[in-house]
Amino acid sequence: EVQLVESGGGLLQPGGSLRLSCAASGFTFSSYAMSWVRQAPGKGLEWVSFISDSGSNIYYADSVKGRFTISRDNSKNMLFLQMNSLRAEDTAIYYCAKDWGSRQPQYFQHWGQGTLVTVAS
Amino acid sequence: SYVLTQPPSVSVAPGKTARITCGGNNIGSKSVHWYQQKPGQAPVVVMYYDSDRPSGIPERFSGSNSGNTATLTISRVEAGDEADYYCQVWDSTSDQEVFGGGTKLTVL
Repeated sequence: EVQLVESGGGLLQPGGSLRLSCAASGFTFSSYAMSWVRQAPGKGLEWVSFISDSGSNIYYADSVKGRFTISRDNSKNMLFLQMNSLRAEDTAIYYCAKDWGSRQPQYFQHWGQGTLVTVAS
Repeated sequence: SYVLTQPPSVSVAPGKTARITCGGNNIGSKSVHWYQQKPGQAPVVVMYYDSDRPSGIPERFSGSNSGNTATLTISRVEAGDEADYYCQVWDSTSDQEVFGGGTKLTVL
């Protein structure tokens, strides 16, 4: 059974930094691309970033480009999102999602339960 | 950037057919995926590559995509189908994943 467990969320002030983690199990992590998708309170889904199986292909939403960095550790089955220069509009539940494919984005086959990030002064 | 347009809400009586549309410029040339999200839960894929249904998703769910509109159709709607539905595509022009704004399906 595929399991994705996010952690690292919390409350922080604008301009701060946070690192989210996603622990994956139940599948061969190194063979699949992964993404982060967020959802602001009461709002729709917004894709944040994608990383291919080996990390060679990485894409970001325009809204986070230059501030967020996605990475993965295939030896530990972990996905990360380093978030810097956080803004109030980054407040959201952040979901880790397993892609169906490996090299290029396909679709989000499995989702974690999410971790809440709140940016407020 | 590429934009996907969904109706904010769709209402349907139990046992009837619900059609949720997703509009985009020449969306028929892209692969469209659909997600169902119930309150307090993570999204679940209910349709991928326009019309492929994941295992565990009832045959009542079907999809189509042509021209400027993709459609998720739910036949014989049940109370348990009440949820938010999102369409999604990959826009290779901008290298961005794009979600529609979501449609709240209400079962009357």
